[in-house]
Formats: sequence, C-alpha cells, structure tokens
Amino acid sequence: KAGVTQTPRYLIKTRGQQVTLSCSPISGHRSVSWYQQTPGQGLQFLFEYFSETQRNKGNFPGRFSGRQFSNSRSEMNVSTLELGDSALYLCASSRRPGTSGGVSTDTQYFGPGTRLTVL
Amino acid sequence: EDKVVQSPLSLVVHEGDTVTLNCSYEVTNFRSLLWYKQEKKAPTFLFMLTSSGIEKKSGRLSSILDKKELFSILNITATQTGDSAVYLCAVVEFTGGGNKLTFGTGTQLKVEL
Repeated sequence: KAGVTQTPRYLIKTRGQQVTLSCSPISGHRSVSWYQQTPGQGLQFLFEYFSETQRNKGNFPGRFSGRQFSNSRSEMNVSTLELGDSALYLCASSRRPGTSGGVSTDTQYFGPGTRLTVL
Repeated sequence: EDKVVQSPLSLVVHEGDTVTLNCSYEVTNFRSLLWYKQEKKAPTFLFMLTSSGIEKKSGRLSSILDKKELFSILNITATQTGDSAVYLCAVVEFTGGGNKLTFGTGTQLKVEL
C-alpha cells in the first residue's frame, strides 16, 4: 500500500507570495492533518480535515488555510508569506478522526513533508 | 494550556547502553499517547498507548503509560548507532468531533560506538 505523498518536496518563495501544498493520504484513509515543523517550535498542529470538513484547527493565523477534496486529497495554502513561515510542512493521514460517543485512536502516518523556504 | 514535555532534551550514550526517555503531559481529554522516531525525514510511528500499565514491545524498544501520573516512558535496550534520532512523544486528545495531536519537543538521542 502506497504511503502518504506530498508535493512539492521543496519550494522556495519570497515574502508576500502565496503557496499551495498538496497531500495525498494512504488509500482508504479519510482524515488528513497538517503540521508545521521548525527547529525552534518543534511540531505544531495546523488543522485536520475529514470528509471535506475542517474538524480541528491549531493556533495559526488566518493566512494558513486548507481544504480537502472528495477523494480525501488535501491542500494547504499559505498567503502573504513571511520569513517565519519557512519550515517543513508535514501531512499525516489516518482512517478517521475521533468520533463523539466513541474513542478513535487511529495512528497517523506521516508523509515526507514539503520543505518551504521563504526568502 | 495543554502541554507535552519530554526529557531529557538530548542524550549521548554508547552502543549497548539502555536508555529511558520520558514524556509527561497535561491535556484536557486524553485519548492516547504516541511515540515516533524521527531521523532526517518525517516521523515514523513506534507505539500507541491508551491504557495504563500495559507495556508495548517491539524488539529492543518498549513503552508504557501511566495515566494516573500522566507520563509515559520509552525504553531502548542494547542501543545501536541506528537508534540515533529524535524521539517524539505526541498526545491525542478528543476535541468535539476530531483528534488533535500535541507534540513534545522531542529527545535527541545519539548513540556512539
């Protein structure tokens, strides 16, 4: 079974530009989460999508947005890029998120990441 | 604010040593705790722990969770240079219909010959 794929793997942009990153989950996985990883802040949760709906959102400004398509593929968009947005952006998929009335502890599997450099 | 704290921040050992990595947490609606190994790429899954006192084991690695004291440990016995990596602990909490992962900052392990 193919793993999580992310495109592009590397990206260089300048301040003020916008960028779109793509993530294809493992086949059969419907939940996609996005994370930002920087040396100073570690891994930080951005948002989670399930069934084309954003289920959770971390503490990031509105410049960070995302969406999920009917085939579970997800895109993440960052507008008006700042130098501090330089990071490794990781996407992770799982079969499903938590469900009310039950406990879902599905493991998330990470993609290789997109290394974004903002100059 | 929710918090996941790992210790030590970094560790250097010699091959053959046994190491214990710690992860303590404070989250609102705990569901599970995950351990990941991260080398120069994306994290790879090691263990998922949901119940206290039940040890999970995979080869030389093992982990256990204490939900009363809110911590977990990851043990690596007979360490090898290939164990050198950042070990990440993440806590899954349920937030009104979805899961949220909060990661610790990781423990950098270096295993020397």
